[in-house]
Amino acid sequence: NAGVMQNPRHLVRRRGQEARLRCSPMKGHSHVYWYRQLPEEGLKFMVYLQKENIIDESGMPKERFSAEFPKEGPSILRIQQVVRGDSAAYFCASSPQAENTEAFFGQGTRLTVV
Amino acid sequence: GENVEQHPSTLSVQEGDSAVIKCTYSDSASNYFPWYKQELGKGPQLIIDIRSNVGEKKDQRIAVTLNKTAKHFSLHITETQPEDSAVYFCAALGGGFKTIFGAGTRLFVKA
Repeated sequence: NAGVMQNPRHLVRRRGQEARLRCSPMKGHSHVYWYRQLPEEGLKFMVYLQKENIIDESGMPKERFSAEFPKEGPSILRIQQVVRGDSAAYFCASSPQAENTEAFFGQGTRLTVV
Repeated sequence: GENVEQHPSTLSVQEGDSAVIKCTYSDSASNYFPWYKQELGKGPQLIIDIRSNVGEKKDQRIAVTLNKTAKHFSLHITETQPEDSAVYFCAALGGGFKTIFGAGTRLFVKA
């Protein structure tokens, strides 16, 4: 049973370009969470999704950021018109249910905006 | 909103000594408290967790304690080894379905 798979592991984008980060949850997991981690800092919640639904996006900036988890395929975190401040590690986690259960993390995507 | 405070931010111990990391949380509805270890360049890995109906849990050299009244929970690592060096995050999960993380503790174990 493969773990949470994220790709790409490293992504370099110029200011103004779009960044697409992908996350395939563990088999059997229908809950996906995205977190952002700045260097030397903790993990900040961005968004929680179930298949085809955004449940909680309270941690995600209202502009330029969007997330989806379609019926088929991976979850996508999309950042439009990237700026230098978007440079960070973005981690995806998945769990089999929402409440009272551990989430398993992927290895992250390190986004660098130049 | 929900908040998790974690202390210390950096901890340096001698190999074989114990390490203790403490966290407090604000959301009284929180009922699940996982601890994650993050090594350089990797994602966080769950190392132990505790639920609100339990006061203490132990797994070999690692133990966690929970005081729901005071909203405190702690991680204890005994007989530390150099490979324990990493960043450790506490977290709390409540009715909001999102896990709130502490800021992390960078643990250095000196050989």
